[in-house]
Order: sequence, then C-alpha cells, then structure tokens
Amino acid sequence: GAVVSQHPSRVICKSGTSVKIECRSLDFQATTMFWYRQFPKKSLMLMATSNEGSKATYEQGVEKDKFLINHASLTLSTLTVTSAHPEDSSFYICSARGANSPLHFGNGTRLTVT
Amino acid sequence: AQSVTQLDSQVPVFEEAPVELRCNYSSSVSVYLFWYVQYPNQGLQLLLKYLSGSTLVKGINGFEAEFNKSQTSFHLRKPSVHISDTAEYFCAVSRRKNRDDKIIFGKGTRLHILP
Repeated sequence: GAVVSQHPSRVICKSGTSVKIECRSLDFQATTMFWYRQFPKKSLMLMATSNEGSKATYEQGVEKDKFLINHASLTLSTLTVTSAHPEDSSFYICSARGANSPLHFGNGTRLTVT
Repeated sequence: AQSVTQLDSQVPVFEEAPVELRCNYSSSVSVYLFWYVQYPNQGLQLLLKYLSGSTLVKGINGFEAEFNKSQTSFHLRKPSVHISDTAEYFCAVSRRKNRDDKIIFGKGTRLHILP
C-alpha cells in the first residue's frame, strides 16, 4: 500500500544550526502534505499545509521564517528548522494525501537541539 | 472552527476487559471523524473513519466507533483489549466540505493495559 517515508527518524543538532527533515510519498503523488509538531504527552499541532508547487499555508502562531517548508515535487516535501534552539526540540510528523490516496502519516522525526 | 475533546488523558484497563475511549467534537459544519493510534516514537496509523452512511464504524484490530450526531460524539470501543493495544489514541476531525481539508486532532488518550 501507499507509504510515507520520513527521514531522518532521529536527529541531534547544536543550537544555532539548521536541520532539514524530508517527507516522501513512495508510491503515490502527494498533492497535499501536512506538517505536525507533537509535544511530549500532548496532541499533534498542525504547523502548515503545503500543496505541490505553491507556498505553504502556515497555522497561526507558527513562524514562517523559522520553519521553512518546501513542496517542490509531488513526492517530496521538506521542513527546515532554521537556527534551531532547545525549545524547538520535539517530534515532527508529516502526512501526505494524493488525489486518489487517503491520508498517510510518516513515522516522525525526533529532533533534539543541544 | 472545529475542535476535538478527549476527556480522558489516560485510561487503565485490565487485559481482556472492554474499553471505551471518549471523543466529543465541535463544529459548525458537517465533519468527517477519525481515530488514529500511535505507538511509541512512531507516526500515526488510521484505526477507522466515519465519512457517511452507517453510524457504527468498524476498524482494524477489533476496534469500532459510533458516530452520534445529537451528542456530537465519536467514542471508540473494543470488547476485549490485548497488551499490544497499549498506545496513544487520537480522535480527529476534518470539515466535510472539503476532503482535502486539514485534520484537527484531540489531545490523545493513553491506553494502558494492565496484566
């Protein structure tokens, strides 16, 4: 069946550096991708919605310049956390949906900023 | 705007006992409803969804949920739980108007199976 691959699964970076997380749809064309952030023992917070070839739509309170989202192709979306700080440490999850495909989630990326 | 309330943050239950995880939603428009399961350090897996038709929806792993429009609820049930059901369960909603709409999640309920 359809699968969404998220990479890396874990990343540790130093404060001030940038980290890129990839989300790929493996056997379908993802017209829409969603990026979520999950805090410990809390729900998934939608960060942004991205449609292929257009700018991402960010949720209220999410810094566009901090969390750069690129959806350059129908199978790949990237989330770049720029100038990361310890408070950006979290579990980031992407999901993808195609025209004829239901929503599928990636396995998430555990980001730790030291 | 839509919102989802999961009243129980944690539900402990003995193995082979039945369980119900509660979910209530709020929306000014018709909605689709979902239950997802998340195992530790993993993404989300769809358990079941209500789009239309029969209000009783059966999903994977023996789970089922019933859509109750008058009570704006979508409670998840399983008649007999197994230790492998230990996980976090999320109720979610999206607007019926647009099937490509974003999904809003509840805060989750941790199901803790006691041996």
